[in-house]
Amino acid sequence: AAGVIQSPRHLIKEKRETATLKCYPIPRHDTVYWYQQGPGQDPQFLISFYEKMQSDKGSIPDRFSAQQFSDYHSELNMSSLELGDSALYFCASKYRGTDTQYFGPGTRLTVL
Amino acid sequence: AQSVSQHNHHVILSEAASLELGCNYSYGGTVNLFWYVQYPGQHLQLLLKYFSGDPLVKGIKGFEAEFIKSKFSFNLRKPSVQWSDTAEYFCAVQTGANNLFFGTGTRLTVIP
Repeated sequence: AAGVIQSPRHLIKEKRETATLKCYPIPRHDTVYWYQQGPGQDPQFLISFYEKMQSDKGSIPDRFSAQQFSDYHSELNMSSLELGDSALYFCASKYRGTDTQYFGPGTRLTVL
Repeated sequence: AQSVSQHNHHVILSEAASLELGCNYSYGGTVNLFWYVQYPGQHLQLLLKYFSGDPLVKGIKGFEAEFIKSKFSFNLRKPSVQWSDTAEYFCAVQTGANNLFFGTGTRLTVIP
């Protein structure tokens, strides 16, 4: 069965650079969630989208923005990267009316 | 605010030993409960979930969990662990807004 796809899988950036992470949900899933998992920490909710509209916002820094496109894929844009942004970024998707979120493999971002 | 507590940060067991990982949450309303597993270097995978009905739920790979509403608990169990169960285990609670709140995780190491 198709799963959530995230790209790239690994990304290395330097401080103050920008990064864009992409998430392609499971087909027919219309809701996307972004989570950040720092080293040795639990995943923290960043932001979510439903039907291309932001549905909820968590601990997402102002330097980050995200959007969901007409094909339901989502992009997380990160600017002025800091060392502390080094983390695993997970995307999860679900279909409206259901509750289970399915996670992608994550993008490991390293900021040097 | 919602919170999820996982009491054990690191559990070390020998193969064939029984496992119980604790999870407590603080939220007075209706919740959905999940256990996710993260194998080394991999993404989060759903082990099992509870929405309603029988409070004893069975998941993949021989895992089960019991929802005890009066104790706000959702402990994960497995009668006999295997070396391949070595992983990080996350309990998660979902409230009406559909966002997941994760516990800090329990690292399970199974010694052959």
